[in-house]
Amino acid sequence: GEDVEQSLFLSVREGDSSVINCTYTDSSSTYLYWYKQEPGAGLQLLTYIFSNMDMKQDQRLTVLLNKKDKHLSLRIADTQTGDSAIYFCAHATDSWGKLQFGAGTQVVVTP
Amino acid sequence: GAVVSQHPSWVICKSGTSVKIECRSLDFQATTMFWYRQFPKQSLMLMATSNEGSKATYEQGVEKDKFLINHASLTLSTLTVTSAHPEDSSFYICSARDPGTSNIHEQFFGPGTRLTVL
Repeated sequence: GEDVEQSLFLSVREGDSSVINCTYTDSSSTYLYWYKQEPGAGLQLLTYIFSNMDMKQDQRLTVLLNKKDKHLSLRIADTQTGDSAIYFCAHATDSWGKLQFGAGTQVVVTP
Repeated sequence: GAVVSQHPSWVICKSGTSVKIECRSLDFQATTMFWYRQFPKQSLMLMATSNEGSKATYEQGVEKDKFLINHASLTLSTLTVTSAHPEDSSFYICSARDPGTSNIHEQFFGPGTRLTVL
């Protein structure tokens, strides 16, 4: 199976919270990332978390890490139409920062 | 944030021809750049790591003679797909590390190049 797995699609109403989930298999993952990709644009780093942390909050974004279950989630509070994009989970296991990506979750925000 | 550009954004070529894709860091010097390939509904797959002034490091299963990488300057890396075939059709994305950022692992991504081989 894939090293990093994500659900492919999420639909959410504007103003609600979105939760995007990711599971990974490599227990030596050191850095875990969430990237956002809008149409025609490159991947943009949203946030990252170190493996020795359980949670990180950055304005509307909350990242939760369950290292035991190798589960990472991204919560977007008060989701806006501008949050519609593809969200990629990724992790790095070595100091060179080689990233392993999930397939991406397409988030569609409806009015 | 740091900006990475790619050129062209899309290209269509005939089978058997070679195609060059450029990746540029616009406002920083990138000693390391990465080349990824993305198929529809699939994750980005790292193809190779490009180091300025030295040979690229290819991932397992990537043909180095088919995907030629040159990183001749601190702001430019090129990927040449030689003797392209329809199965090489894909979305190619580059990224670069900015040594000046606090997170040494952060990569800045280009917008990608869509290659279609007829």
